[in-house]
Amino acid sequence: DTGVSQDPRHKITKRGQNVTFRCDPISEHNRLYWYRQTLGQGPEFLTYFQNEAQLEKSRLLSDRFSAERPKGSFSTLEIQRTEQGDSAMYLCASSLAERLAGGSDTQYFGPGTRLTVL
Amino acid sequence: RKEVEQDPGPFNVPEGATVAFNCTYSNSASQSFFWYRQDCRKEPKLLMSVYSSGNEDGRFTAQLNRASQYISLLIRDSKLSDSATYLCVVNMAGWGDTGRRALTFGSGTRLQVQP
Repeated sequence: DTGVSQDPRHKITKRGQNVTFRCDPISEHNRLYWYRQTLGQGPEFLTYFQNEAQLEKSRLLSDRFSAERPKGSFSTLEIQRTEQGDSAMYLCASSLAERLAGGSDTQYFGPGTRLTVL
Repeated sequence: RKEVEQDPGPFNVPEGATVAFNCTYSNSASQSFFWYRQDCRKEPKLLMSVYSSGNEDGRFTAQLNRASQYISLLIRDSKLSDSATYLCVVNMAGWGDTGRRALTFGSGTRLQVQP
């Protein structure tokens, strides 16, 4: 399967614990995005990388959240001191920015990591 | 006011029916527009991009009205397999932008096609 993959698919944790999720984008995709989706809502943007540079961060990304993409390939999203309000589906997406193309490139989503904070 | 607004539905239609979904967006600087489809407990998947001139892909037709900041999706001859949530999506990224890549999603409109 050459799509976006995410690990783990499900995570149950106790309030106050730290969790880390991993995303592997489609090979050669240089852009990687994190979104969060709660029940009955559309995904909400968290942050975006182009290669290893984090270019955009949402106000939703509090200081308990940190994302990295150290080698411009896979990315991790860490949540420290989890709260019950962090329970959601965390979606990763990737896209290929073509140098001569403009506008918005198509974002392909992974299956998500479902986080439950007890 | 939400940046992208959709009627949550559900729309319950019989097989073969034509159904239309509407969406409005608040940011006039939005540059790119899409419809994504999301099946229950699955990830969103791009259904189609939306262009000012309107575009069609088989049974699906999308329209954009920039003046009214309004996007529509028409599904003809509905199939059982069309049952899903349809997400209206906008993006502010323009030509050459490296920033503003975030997709802004509506809450989705649920469609249930019945036999």
